[in-house]
Amino acid sequence: NAGVTQTPKFRILKIGQSMTLQCTQDMNHNYMYWYRQDPGMGLKLIYYSVGAGITDKGEVPNGYNVSRSTTEDFPLRLELAAPSQTSVYFCASSYLLLAGDSYEQYFGPGTRLTVT
Amino acid sequence: GQQVMQIPQYQHVQEGEDFTTYCNSSTTLSNIQWYKQRPGGHPVFLIQLVKSGEVKKQKRLTFQFGEAKKNSSLHITATQTTDVGTYFCAGRNDYKLSFGAGTTVTVRA
Repeated sequence: NAGVTQTPKFRILKIGQSMTLQCTQDMNHNYMYWYRQDPGMGLKLIYYSVGAGITDKGEVPNGYNVSRSTTEDFPLRLELAAPSQTSVYFCASSYLLLAGDSYEQYFGPGTRLTVT
Repeated sequence: GQQVMQIPQYQHVQEGEDFTTYCNSSTTLSNIQWYKQRPGGHPVFLIQLVKSGEVKKQKRLTFQFGEAKKNSSLHITATQTTDVGTYFCAGRNDYKLSFGAGTTVTVRA
């Protein structure tokens, strides 16, 4: 299994441009997440999905959109890129979170995005 | 909402020494997870604690969950250069995890 894969690894955008960050997992996980990581700030949840066709906002959703048409794929769309969106983006997936229990999250290698 | 705080933010350790990093939540947690991120890498799951007062060990790493399930700690003994990285704790929040800001560990040889 490849686990969680993300493309591209690096990207430089100009202000106002748009792009899609791709995320694919081959572990048949129903839960998928997008995080951004700024230096010294930990991981902030952007959007998450509990299954195909179902998405919800996290802590910092403004400026982003997601879709989940299949179990495997969870792309993140940036519209009108701004310098504040310069960050490292991680996609993650996990099994069903049962009541009172949790499962580990598997992270992809990340996408380093710079907006100038 | 739930907040998870970690201290210290940075830990500079002499090789061979022990240290502890702490995680505190503003609310009671159903469980807590710990992750490690090597420089330039992605977070990797280390362990999950579920029961009040639970203690788990992984070689030189000892993880503890507080009796009130509002705090946790990670203790590393005889620190090695392979321990370099950022250690995150994460508390369960509905269908999501709330991550602390992490403790970044550097090691002096």
